Amino acid sequence: NAGVTQTPKFRVLKTGQSMTLLCAQDMNHEYMYWYRQDPGMGLRLIHYSVGEGTTAKGEVPDGYNVSRLKKQNFLLGLESAAPSQTSVYFCASSREADNSPLHFGNGTRLTVT
Amino acid sequence: GDSVTQMEGPVTLSEEAFLTINCTYTATGYPSLFWYVQYPGEGLQLLLKATKADDKGSNKGFEATYRKETTSFHLEKGSVQVSDSAVYFCALNAGGTSYGKLTFGQGTILTVHP
Repeated sequence: NAGVTQTPKFRVLKTGQSMTLLCAQDMNHEYMYWYRQDPGMGLRLIHYSVGEGTTAKGEVPDGYNVSRLKKQNFLLGLESAAPSQTSVYFCASSREADNSPLHFGNGTRLTVT
Repeated sequence: GDSVTQMEGPVTLSEEAFLTINCTYTATGYPSLFWYVQYPGEGLQLLLKATKADDKGSNKGFEATYRKETTSFHLEKGSVQVSDSAVYFCALNAGGTSYGKLTFGQGTILTVHP
């Protein structure tokens, strides 16, 4: 009963380094999302995907790239990390329906120094 | 664009007190409305939802009614427990071609003391 799994749970990067956050879901969901959570700002959508091989920009996409090569996986990349990208990142998935609830992973806490 | 505004927190209550967390929204069309809860160290979980005006969502003693006339979706619980301590997020789905994307409020931290 894994649901949505994110790796890693924690990471510290130096400015300019790159990394990839991994998200996997085992519910056969079509839609997947990456959000970032910052104090006092709620969750903001970075990128999303409506199916294998598709990606689209959300509210705050700059500095991030994504890929959805397999239906169950959604990868978030930071090519050149900046301190402003220090945040908690959440992956979520949902069925192909407007009112379907989002299922969230437990988050990745990223610190960029 | 779409937006969600929640009451300022944090909210601190004693066990068995009445809880209200206010939420108002701005959206074109007819959004669906949600409350999510985040316990420490975890991701968000759906608490309740309402998909049309006058619908009441309920779960675990929590309730919220979709009020189109006041564009509100306030969360209430008659008697809170220590285990309700968490962060609560109001959110909307604009529908149409939104592909399930949610717009979140800023979150309200609730702490319940014994």
